Amino acid sequence: GAVVSQHPSRVICKSGTSVKIECRSLDFQATTMFWYRQFPKQSLMLMATSNEGSKATYEQGVEKDKFLINHASLTLSTLTVTSAHPEDSSFYICSALQWGADNSPLHFGNGTRLTVT
Amino acid sequence: AQKVTQAQTEISVVEKEDVTLDCVYETRDTTYYLFWYKQPPSGELVFLIRRNSFDEQNEISGRYSWNFQKSTSSFNFTITASQVVDSAVYFCALSLLNGGQFYFGTGTSLTVIP
Repeated sequence: GAVVSQHPSRVICKSGTSVKIECRSLDFQATTMFWYRQFPKQSLMLMATSNEGSKATYEQGVEKDKFLINHASLTLSTLTVTSAHPEDSSFYICSALQWGADNSPLHFGNGTRLTVT
Repeated sequence: AQKVTQAQTEISVVEKEDVTLDCVYETRDTTYYLFWYKQPPSGELVFLIRRNSFDEQNEISGRYSWNFQKSTSSFNFTITASQVVDSAVYFCALSLLNGGQFYFGTGTSLTVIP
């Protein structure tokens, strides 16, 4: 089945630094990838839709200058949290879209737990 | 606008009991997909089932079963003879045909007590 690799799985960084999270589709090409954020005991909140070769579409309330998304190839999207602050600590999940028969069209990475100290 | 409601925030059951997780959705589109995902404590999302809006047939997969009723806009999930390994957060989600964007419910945290 389709596999999405997300890296790193955990990262701890100091306030003010930037962190890059990678999302790769390993065995398929993904024109569209999604980035979600999940607070403890809460649902997945869509942050942005990443389309290969074009600018990402951000959801309302998500700061595009803070959460930089790059989808330069059909197998890689990156999310960079710039000038991270403790309130950015969260669980970030990427997913790649691929419609097929009788399965989930969204293939999820295993998530990245970001802790900003 | 699309919306998915999972009214049950947390449920606890004793092992071997049956449990039903409720999901109610809202959409004006006539073509859509419904999903259930499981998120164990490790965090990854595990796909359980996908249903399209034209197929109201209920489905059974082992101890899992799903009841899709368009008349009440519900897509409920039942676990029979629950086990400790079923402890997780379960998300119901809705997707339209054309966008790929998923609308997730707030999740139901299930704890199965041994």
